[in-house]
Amino acid sequence: QKEVEQNSGPLSVPEGAIASLNCTYSDRVSQSFFWYRQYSGKSPELIMSIYSNGDKEDGRFTAQLNKASQYVSLLIRDSQPSDSATYLCAVILISSGSARQLTFGSGTQLTVLP
Amino acid sequence: ETGVTQSPTHLIKTRGQQVTLRCSSQSGHNTVSWYQQALGQGPQFIFQYYREEENGRGNFPPRFSGLQFPNYSSELNVNALELDDSALYLCASSPPGGLGGGGTGELFFGEGSRLTVL
Repeated sequence: QKEVEQNSGPLSVPEGAIASLNCTYSDRVSQSFFWYRQYSGKSPELIMSIYSNGDKEDGRFTAQLNKASQYVSLLIRDSQPSDSATYLCAVILISSGSARQLTFGSGTQLTVLP
Repeated sequence: ETGVTQSPTHLIKTRGQQVTLRCSSQSGHNTVSWYQQALGQGPQFIFQYYREEENGRGNFPPRFSGLQFPNYSSELNVNALELDDSALYLCASSPPGGLGGGGTGELFFGEGSRLTVL
């Protein structure tokens, strides 16, 4: 089982709709969860972080965390064509040597259709 | 404030050659992580450097090695290049305590070095 898994894409939604992106993780002790956005040919940029169960809202973005189910999601309301990108779920895991490393899922490619 | 910079941005090598990629971390950041991102995949953790020591490593063979310098800049070296090493190599820095409990966990990425192995 992969440490961080995301629902397979690509995902297409019409402009103005809600885009829903999902992620599961395998490490029960993980405490820190992140969503990064990566435009084609660019490097990832952080858009949301969440540490506690429940919802966290930031503008049109809402992150949801359920630690019991080891599940984290990202909702994008009123999707815009500029939201078209690959969305990466990331979790802090403890690697060899006790270092805390950020581990990424494979990403979900989102296309918002005008 | 200067962000994370990487060089070179693009390079082409042949199988068996060696390559060195360079990264300057963001001002004040003392931890550098390197990732490999193959086309259509998420970034895969290679290793992390803190205080000039490797303090975490992903599932990569020993021919992937690195260095961190006193100014926190870093190098990634790959020996005996293979075709599957073709990828975008990302360097990311984080501030003191950034990845620890209570830290934001945010990594600041450079624009990457795209390596093609022929």
